[in-house]
Amino acid sequence: GDSVTQMEGPVTLSEEAFLTINCTYTATGYPSLFWYVQYPGEGLQLLLKATKADDKGSNKGFEATYRKETTSFHLEKGSVQVSDSAVYFCALRRDDKIIFGKGTRLHILP
Amino acid sequence: GAGVSQTPSNKVTEKGKYVELRCDPISGHTALYWYRQSLGQGPEFLIYFQGTGAADDSGLPNDRFFAVRPEGSVSTLKIQRTERGDSAVYLCASSLGLAGADEQFFGPGTRLTVL
Repeated sequence: GDSVTQMEGPVTLSEEAFLTINCTYTATGYPSLFWYVQYPGEGLQLLLKATKADDKGSNKGFEATYRKETTSFHLEKGSVQVSDSAVYFCALRRDDKIIFGKGTRLHILP
Repeated sequence: GAGVSQTPSNKVTEKGKYVELRCDPISGHTALYWYRQSLGQGPEFLIYFQGTGAADDSGLPNDRFFAVRPEGSVSTLKIQRTERGDSAVYLCASSLGLAGADEQFFGPGTRLTVL
């Protein structure tokens, strides 16, 4: 069945560092791909998405490109801030359900 | 406007008891979803409603779990004979109901602890 695998955390970086969180997926066809974020004490929020191969999703300085050749959707940000500290989930959509990875906790140190 | 709300925010119960978890979707959203998030895991799909009917209940783990949405708005997730393994955060989401393309908006969740 469909699944999403993302790098385990926690990931700890200093402010202004470059961020990559790896994500790969297993699925038939080309499902839509997502990154969700869960800030401390808040609900799950959609961060960005890509609906077809080679699409790049972007939001709040974060980017991810849908790579069908490598079945990947890695999340990147050029310069992280303390306020980016959160748990990040890579996900895919199959019909009307979203299939999530296990999440990666990110800590940004000032 | 108001987002998805869930009540209670926390529920502690004893093994074997019955619990009900409530979800109020965003007004006008016809689609409603329940997910379960165990500690250290991502959310897992349980059930999806389109209007009043359950369009996909393939994620419900067993027949102790049941959900209703009688008027196409508020939904209740019901768990009978709770077990310790049911302890998790139960998330509700809603969307406009556009086939396969619209964003799901998540509530803050109900943390269920079964002692």
